[in-house]
Amino acid sequence: EADIYQTPRYLVIGTGKKITLECSQTMGHDKMYWYQQDPGMELHLIHYSYGVNSTEKGDLSSESTVSRIRTEHFPLTLESARPSHTSQYLCASSEFKGNNSPLHFGNGTRLTVT
Amino acid sequence: QQPVQSPQAVILREGEDAVINCSSSKALYSVHWYRQKHGEAPVFLMILLKGGEQKGHDKISASFNEKKQQSSLYLTASQLSYSGTYFCGTEDAQGAQKLVFGQGTRLTINP
Repeated sequence: EADIYQTPRYLVIGTGKKITLECSQTMGHDKMYWYQQDPGMELHLIHYSYGVNSTEKGDLSSESTVSRIRTEHFPLTLESARPSHTSQYLCASSEFKGNNSPLHFGNGTRLTVT
Repeated sequence: QQPVQSPQAVILREGEDAVINCSSSKALYSVHWYRQKHGEAPVFLMILLKGGEQKGHDKISASFNEKKQQSSLYLTASQLSYSGTYFCGTEDAQGAQKLVFGQGTRLTINP
């Protein structure tokens, strides 16, 4: 069973607040990802990382930023939350061994900005 | 480049079969298949890497065509537990090893 954890599970916050969504994995995976998903809709890649000190932007433009200071930790930050940021954010990880490694997903953070 | 999935939704009776397709305009390095139930995280089903490859377990299998531009997921004798949204994720042949998902296919199995 995959060990990847996201906190908080739900977050309701006002416009303009700074927020950080936490994601940690205990599998020693090098690759980590953040996807944004509206309910019942597709997953959009917003950030990914190959390893420590590596961060890349995904296909969907996002005002969020990420950092990868430790292998196990890949937090996502919004400096000033807006209602348009309301969505579910899914973190995932995979081993860095070519292209045959499955993604392990966390349970997600459902963000509501009022 | 985002792969295209079809159909967008399928409604079946228990025991019926379903096929979900995933297509790309260019050759892919790999195709992943995931299932997501309502309110839960996507769960990995299988990966296909080679043109002409077929693999599967239980009554869920998948194929990858020779040109590596299309994959199909086959659900045979569907069970109620198969309900959910199925996503294919693809990696470009010369991509940055990032997984891009299709728009999903919602599968509903009725008793």
